[in-house]
Order: sequence, then C-alpha cells, then structure tokens
Amino acid sequence: ETGVTQTPRHLVMGMTNKKSLKCEQHLGHNAMYWYKQSAKKPLELMFVYSLEERVENNSVPSRFSPECPNSSHLFLHLHTLQPEDSALYLCASSQEMTGLASSTDTQYFGPGTRLTVL
Amino acid sequence: AQSVSQHNHHVILSEAASLELGCNYSYGGTVNLFWYVQYPGQHLQLLLKYFSGDPLVKGIKGFEAEFIKSKFSFNLRKPSVQWSDTAEYFCAVKGTGGFKTIFGAGTRLFVKA
Repeated sequence: ETGVTQTPRHLVMGMTNKKSLKCEQHLGHNAMYWYKQSAKKPLELMFVYSLEERVENNSVPSRFSPECPNSSHLFLHLHTLQPEDSALYLCASSQEMTGLASSTDTQYFGPGTRLTVL
Repeated sequence: AQSVSQHNHHVILSEAASLELGCNYSYGGTVNLFWYVQYPGQHLQLLLKYFSGDPLVKGIKGFEAEFIKSKFSFNLRKPSVQWSDTAEYFCAVKGTGGFKTIFGAGTRLFVKA
C-alpha cells in the first residue's frame, strides 16, 4: 500500500462517453501528477498540480481535463476520447514541488486505471 | 529538452548472475536521478535516488546505482539477482528548477530460477 489510491481500476468506455478517473493520496503531500503509460513507450507526464494549482500541462489534448479540488484529491475528466487514448493512467504524489535537490521530490504512485476506449 | 535512454528493453538472466542496467540522460544542468521498479501486478515504486553527495547510491533489496556526471549516466547494478527481481525497471531524471520528471522507456528483467 503506497498511500495513493485510484478508482476505478479498470474502465471501458465508448468514444462518446464522459467518465472521470479519481485519485486520492493519504500521505499529506502537496503535489499530485497524472501520467499516461502506454505499451512500449516511456511514461508520459500529463499534468502536475502543486498546492491545488496546475503548474504543468504537458501539451495534453483538451479531451482530458484535470481537476484538483484539494491537495488530497485529483480527478481526470474524460470526454470524446479516441482508441489511441487506451492506456494505463497513473496518479502520483510528492511532498512538495521544489526547484532544488531535495528528497521531497520522490513520487509515490497509485496502482493505475486501465482505460480501454472502444 | 530532457530525455532518458535505457539501453536494454528486455534482459533475461539466471539466478545469481550479476545485473547492470544502463541509463543515460540528456540535460545540461543539475539533476535528480531515480530508479523505479514495477513488480508484476504491483505499483511503480522507488528503488533508489540520487540528489547530491556520494555518487554511489544504495537502494533497497541490494540494488545500487552510480552517477557518472561526465558520462551523463546512472546505471543500476546488483551483484547477484534473484527470481523475485523479475520486474520492469525505469530510470528517471528531474532537472532542478523544473517540475517535470522524465522517465525512460523501461527495461523488463526476467530472472530464471
């Protein structure tokens, strides 16, 4: 148990559906992240939130919409997705964002949501 | 732009063999370096990390990694692998002063019993 939970663990949706992924961290961290993990590709950073403010949007299409209502919860709202969006979506948290070498930059990952878009 | 290259996508070893997984990064400034591991069916978790000081870093389960700044490398080593080390290993780099951690594509290690 890493202290980061994600629901649902599996999701199958059609291209016209709207769904949301949820992430919750129980570690008292201030920063949260969404990553996309596709087969045979490096882990891709999608969004970063620090103290509930979005600090990074890594050129992600607008059909993915993040929401961070507080420092413990992070959502990823999905609408009109494409089959190529099928992947494992990972949430992570870290104690804080820093610009200096710091042990607080270590990220703790959730189990992921396996998304299939039909 | 930052990038991370892991040299081997798949490695197969017998138990007790020595392991070295290569990782090279591209970044001009000061970096934080990580190795993460994902065991079958489990979360991605931190194996070890380098921030400053001794470039030889020791992590969990007998793993170590050496930061060689002149070679932009952070190779992972273990003198004697076990069947339970079967997993996927990811090297990651974060430039200080930035927000992004860049991951390599991963190396799948299979250890034969």
